Amino acid sequence: DGGITQSPKYLFRKEGQNVTLSCEQNLNHDAMYWYRQDPGQGLRLIYYSQIVNDFQKGDIAEGYSVSREKKESFPLTVTSAQKNPTAFYLCASSIWGGGTDTQYFGPGTRLTVL
Amino acid sequence: AQSVTQLDSQVPVFEEAPVELRCNYSSSVSVYLFWYVQYPNQGLQLLLKYLSGSTLVKGINGIEAEFNKSQTSFHLRKPSVHISDTAEYFCAVRNAGGTSYGKLTFGQGTILTVHP
Repeated sequence: DGGITQSPKYLFRKEGQNVTLSCEQNLNHDAMYWYRQDPGQGLRLIYYSQIVNDFQKGDIAEGYSVSREKKESFPLTVTSAQKNPTAFYLCASSIWGGGTDTQYFGPGTRLTVL
Repeated sequence: AQSVTQLDSQVPVFEEAPVELRCNYSSSVSVYLFWYVQYPNQGLQLLLKYLSGSTLVKGINGIEAEFNKSQTSFHLRKPSVHISDTAEYFCAVRNAGGTSYGKLTFGQGTILTVHP
């Protein structure tokens, strides 16, 4: 079945540690996205990538980093510079359609900083 | 820049009653509009989208949304809800046209709770 997988589902980390969230898609989509979700705030865009080896900052990129070495993979690293990393992180992908494309979402990773 | 306001953060309703979830947007250009649903601890699923054409967009299980350009709204309606409709619903907007990246802006979400 085609879809987006995110791992792990739950992640705990200590303050000061970097942590990497995995996102893999087998939909053959060119574009991939990372969002952060906090209660009552909707989704906010962290980074997005249109093609392999290229990515752009979203609205809240500070304290995060990404890579796009393969079309199907778009890992997100939450660094120790992120002041409030506890949140639900969602990965999405889409064709690159100039706005009409639908973004498909993975099941999410809940990160808790202890 | 565009913005989205979902007018109700929580909507409680009894089973088999009708429901309307309200969404207003702000943008200086034409837009595409989306409704997503999120069940607890899951990702988002697309319910409906308006790109062009008929302003009334219909989905599965009786769900529909109407685009009103003059009122800059895209309200979601369902004539009869079920317990399984309990979830959080997100409205999103994106500027239309062009080939460059158009940011998808989400509203704050509306939690729909269906009571027996």
